[in-house]
Amino acid sequence: GQNIDQPTEMTATEGAIVQINCTYQTSGFNGLFWYQQHAGEAPTFLSYNVLDGLEEKGRFSSFLSRSKGYSYLLLKELQMKDSASYLCAAGDSNYQLIWGAGTKLIIKP
Amino acid sequence: TAGITQAPTSQILAAGRSMTLRCTQDMRHNAMYWYRQDLGLGLRLIHYSNTAGTTGKGEVPDGYSVSRANTDDFPLTLASAVPSQTSVYFCASSDSADLNTEAFFGQGTRLTVV
Repeated sequence: GQNIDQPTEMTATEGAIVQINCTYQTSGFNGLFWYQQHAGEAPTFLSYNVLDGLEEKGRFSSFLSRSKGYSYLLLKELQMKDSASYLCAAGDSNYQLIWGAGTKLIIKP
Repeated sequence: TAGITQAPTSQILAAGRSMTLRCTQDMRHNAMYWYRQDLGLGLRLIHYSNTAGTTGKGEVPDGYSVSRANTDDFPLTLASAVPSQTSVYFCASSDSADLNTEAFFGQGTRLTVV
């Protein structure tokens, strides 16, 4: 079956760095997305990886290893506004996204 | 710019009643999607449309229908609501059905079926 695994909840301190991991099993693979979702709001796009390696975009970076079925989202210089859920999604052979349940990130002062 | 708009924001619906959730986008995106989001589960695709005039079934299509008469609108209809359809429904759109394009989401419709 198809499956996305990510931790349910993580806690980090303002100003620190946090890494949110995601492992996936899909029939075929067509890219890995990360979205941010604040409570009660719509998901918003953060990153897309289709090739192995690290993609950096400001304070956020995303890494992909296709051979390991593994990705992570790295958030640096954490701010209180980064408190949100982070959703990992992988594209399958039918060009549909399979979504993880999301990781709720709690930032403490 | 409005982007993608859903209506209503929330609704309480009696079981057995029908309801249409509306979704409109002004970005001229070709692809549109309906997802439901339930606590502890990932977003699950209900139906999708790669272009106006075409629709397809997602992971959980039973009990739902859609139409795509034009580029902008993608309504989702529940013919006879059941309590298990209580959820938050998100409409989304993307420039193309290719997975290398980001999806833009509406603000969601919180539906409670009693």
